[in-house]
Amino acid sequence: GQSLEQPSEVTAVEGAIVQINCTYQTSGFYGLSWYQQHDGGAPTFLSYNALDGLEETGRFSSFLSRSDSYGYLLLQELQMKDSASYFCAANTDKLIFGTGTRLQVFP
Amino acid sequence: GAVVSQHPSWVICKSGTSVKIECRSLDFQATTMFWYRQFPKQSLMLMATSNEGSKATYEQGVEKDKFLINHASLTLSTLTVTSAHPEDSSFYICSGGGSTDTQYFGPGTRLTVL
Repeated sequence: GQSLEQPSEVTAVEGAIVQINCTYQTSGFYGLSWYQQHDGGAPTFLSYNALDGLEETGRFSSFLSRSDSYGYLLLQELQMKDSASYFCAANTDKLIFGTGTRLQVFP
Repeated sequence: GAVVSQHPSWVICKSGTSVKIECRSLDFQATTMFWYRQFPKQSLMLMATSNEGSKATYEQGVEKDKFLINHASLTLSTLTVTSAHPEDSSFYICSGGGSTDTQYFGPGTRLTVL
């Protein structure tokens, strides 16, 4: 089957750095995406890695290692508004979402 | 980015009734749209792939006769939950886009079945 595993919850304080890991087991994989979802809202796209390595987009960076079937999302200079759920998603002929990580940022 | 709308944003219905949810791509044409279901504090589970002009492709375990999908135009896909029951209460989200790395999500429809 296809699966993407993430830690269920992460907590941090404002200004800190947090890393959310994602390990996957999928077929037809050609990239890894990350989405943010606030309670009651729709997922919003954060980043996409088609190649191994680090992609940086402002405070957020995402990493992919195909050989390890592993990726992570790095959030820097955390703000209260970053409190949300974060999902990795495998890009195949469809998007397969990970189990999700709930991030709580405290003042 | 592109815009996807859903209607209604929320709906409450009685058990046994059918509910139709619309998903529209407002500024792009979508030959393929995806329908997801999300239970509270859980991930998005892909239900089906909606293909314009042809039958939808359902994921394993999703009843095609219960969740009817119609994709009659390049900008509209509909999901009808037939004979809804309380266990169908969930957040239903659609998405569309040129490829999976550029998917645009609708705002979601919260269905509550009494």
